[in-house]
Amino acid sequence: NAGVTQTPKFQVLKTGQSMTLQCAQDMNHEYMSWYRQDPGMGLRLIHYSVGAGITDQGEVPNGYNVSRSTTEDFPLRLLSAAPSQTSVYFCATTGGPGNTIYFGEGSWLTVV
Amino acid sequence: KNEVEQSPQNLTAQEGEFITINCSYSVGISALHWLQQHPGGGIVSLFMLSSGKKKHGRLIATINIQEKHSSLHITASHPRDSAVYICAVREGVDMRFGAGTRLTVKP
Repeated sequence: NAGVTQTPKFQVLKTGQSMTLQCAQDMNHEYMSWYRQDPGMGLRLIHYSVGAGITDQGEVPNGYNVSRSTTEDFPLRLLSAAPSQTSVYFCATTGGPGNTIYFGEGSWLTVV
Repeated sequence: KNEVEQSPQNLTAQEGEFITINCSYSVGISALHWLQQHPGGGIVSLFMLSSGKKKHGRLIATINIQEKHSSLHITASHPRDSAVYICAVREGVDMRFGAGTRLTVKP
């Protein structure tokens, strides 16, 4: 039971480059979300999805795109990386008994 | 002002001590979560509360909806409890997170 699989774990980008963080869940949950975690701050919601074909912006969406073509996958795209996007990114899904939240292992992204 | 405030930010305890971490929030919520983040970065859910109290092993979580306050207690703390503990509140489909409490338990 993999739960939430997030890749890559580590990535270094140059300013202006684009990349996609992959997220997949095998729990058949409708709700998926992307967060970024910065030192001294709580996790902040970037984008979320309540089901295939439906996405919406969170608190800090600028510079990021998402899509949800299947229940399982929810990729996060950085369009033109900036140093301010250096952060740790977490994908999560919520559902099941007790509406538990499950996180991926995190992706450490550095933009130079 | 952050909608979810945790205290203390950092906490150091001796093995065996009783630990309390507090969380106050300013928004209306449907549920409150306590999460644990280990030094390697992984985040796991400990509790989801909408009222009252829950217990799992040495961990106890309580919530007072009227006062908009929750506490996480750890009894007989152990070095393996060292982690960052995060309070998060669910408001509709959105979740808001506290900045976390870094707990270090010394042997």
